[in-house]
Amino acid sequence: AQSVTQLDSQVPVFEEAPVELRCNYSSSVSVYLFWYVQYPNQGLQLLLKYLSGSTLVESINGFEAEFNKSQTSFHLRKPSVHISDTAEYFCAVSGLGGYQKVTFGIGTKLQVIP
Amino acid sequence: DGGITQSPKYLFRKEGQNVTLSCEQNLNHDAMYWYRQDPGQGLRLIYYSQIVNDFQKGDIAEGYSVSREKKESFPLTVTSAQKNPTAFYLCASSTGTAGGPQHFGDGTRLSIL
Repeated sequence: AQSVTQLDSQVPVFEEAPVELRCNYSSSVSVYLFWYVQYPNQGLQLLLKYLSGSTLVESINGFEAEFNKSQTSFHLRKPSVHISDTAEYFCAVSGLGGYQKVTFGIGTKLQVIP
Repeated sequence: DGGITQSPKYLFRKEGQNVTLSCEQNLNHDAMYWYRQDPGQGLRLIYYSQIVNDFQKGDIAEGYSVSREKKESFPLTVTSAQKNPTAFYLCASSTGTAGGPQHFGDGTRLSIL
């Protein structure tokens, strides 16, 4: 069994300030990790993923996340946020090999304040 | 462009009525999924299908039914047995291999009249 905990339901931050959205997971096996973004009244879009290799992964729009196995975390960071980053962000985890169910966190709403 | 199309965008259900949500994909993906999204609860898996003519219950399948007669299509029926159907429903697809990300449609918002 696996689970995902997103510790903050809402995160307000001023424009051009840095932000960190926290994600911790629990699993008895090795995992793949994902961050998805959801804009209002839309589906989820993949932001970035960790499958293997470098523990630091980056997205094309300036977000990055670091896989920390010892702390079972996959926090999402951006050094300077923009108004357009206002959205809900979901952390997700799946096991390795064959078909594996994806478990999503409850989401963190990022509100960027002008 | 390849993607997932969900229709309708908004749907209203009367008491005792079954309604069907459409989901079509042209990504040539083997696996398809239905999720229910409620405020503060994230995404909960209703049903999933790894291959045509086969599907499995997810965590909250009661009151829902699906079919997978074609690779491209995975319709969800919300039956009258689902007593609290008001939610945002999301369809997704993936290659079905581990690590393959899910691609989502833009959702259907279902409300009770």
